[in-house]
Amino acid sequence: AQTVTQSQPEMSVQEAETVTLSCTYDTSESDYYLFWYKQPPSRQMILVIRQEAYKQQNATENRFSVNFQKAAKSFSLKISDSQLGDAAMYFCAYRTRRDDKIIFGKGTRLHILP
Amino acid sequence: SQTIHQWPATLVQPVGSPLSLECTVEGTSNPNLYWYRQAAGRGLQLLFYSVGIGQISSEVPQNLSASRPQDRQFILSSKKLLLSDSGFYLCAWSVETQYFGPGTRLLVL
Repeated sequence: AQTVTQSQPEMSVQEAETVTLSCTYDTSESDYYLFWYKQPPSRQMILVIRQEAYKQQNATENRFSVNFQKAAKSFSLKISDSQLGDAAMYFCAYRTRRDDKIIFGKGTRLHILP
Repeated sequence: SQTIHQWPATLVQPVGSPLSLECTVEGTSNPNLYWYRQAAGRGLQLLFYSVGIGQISSEVPQNLSASRPQDRQFILSSKKLLLSDSGFYLCAWSVETQYFGPGTRLLVL
């Protein structure tokens, strides 16, 4: 069965510092997508970053970058220069190219300390 | 560009009353559509998804139902709400990546 595991229920980071959120997944597929979503207090789910499994290069979006280790089935999110607005719940997610459904992890709540 | 709308934003309903939540998508054709529920501080639970008009897949048996009367319209309904139906309901659309609406907060009293 395909699963997504986020082992850190909560994390805290000092403002302007760097933090890494962990995610591992289990799959027998070779062609898939990985995502990180952010859910701030407004509760709207916002796509942060997306990675296609066939691409070896790690995706980046401004201060957000991923460390994609396909063999290890690991997909961590690094947030650089943390800002107060980064405080949110972060969900790691996975889907195969041929499937219609996304599998979400249980989330990591990130606190930013001023 | 694509946008997704949900309404109402907030709803307070008595137990046993009916429910209708609506989701519409603009700027895309034949998207996959999804309904999720999220309890406070918890993860996302997929309720229904649809790959086309009139095509609904149910993930969790319960007193909710979904319909897709038009290509870009997805409706979540109930004939009689339960206390346990309280939560935050999110609609999403996707081609490859899922994009979410702003959500509806439902409180059943």
